[in-house]
Amino acid sequence: QKEVEQNSGPLSVPEGAIASLNCTYSDRGSQSFFWYRQYSGKSPELIMFIYSNGDKEDGRFTAQLNKASQYVSLLIRDSQPSDSATYLCAAHSGYSTLTFGKGTMLLVSP
Amino acid sequence: GAVVSQHPSRVICKSGTSVKIECRSLDFQATTMFWYRQFPKQSLMLMATSNEGSKATYEQGVEKDKFLINHASLTLSTLTVTSAHPEDSSFYICSARTRETVNEKLFFGSGTQLSVL
Repeated sequence: QKEVEQNSGPLSVPEGAIASLNCTYSDRGSQSFFWYRQYSGKSPELIMFIYSNGDKEDGRFTAQLNKASQYVSLLIRDSQPSDSATYLCAAHSGYSTLTFGKGTMLLVSP
Repeated sequence: GAVVSQHPSRVICKSGTSVKIECRSLDFQATTMFWYRQFPKQSLMLMATSNEGSKATYEQGVEKDKFLINHASLTLSTLTVTSAHPEDSSFYICSARTRETVNEKLFFGSGTQLSVL
């Protein structure tokens, strides 16, 4: 069974700090990985996706992928209170739709 | 990015009634739409995959006669919760697939909070 694991949190960081969100996946056939942000009571929105080993940067966000360790992470630099949300990691194996983790709640304090 | 419109955003209904939720892709053609359910503090759980012009594929444990899915056009899919009961109260989210060269992206509707009394 395909699984995506995330620490539920909450992860608390002060404003301006780097927030590090982690995710592991069980299906070695997974090819691409996604990070979604979900505010309470709202639908998820796509932040980034990554499919190659290494780092991918987009503004304040950096996604990191290590396929050998089956590990994905999302770094948020200069965290802002508006970044406070639940972050969902998802994996795609190509056979079906995405498999989501339960999400990590991030709290950024002013 | 691509826009997916979902409504209603919130529904309160009595037990035993049916509720229809609509999901539209506004600026692209969605050959495949997905319906998810999310209980509080839980992950998104895929309920069914809807392909335009064909029957939906339901995930294990999801009653196809209770959750009716229609995908009659490339821009519209509907989910009807028939004879809703309090245990059906949840956040329902649709998403549509837009495919790039090597990756799959999903764009989500705004979700529907269903409360069954």
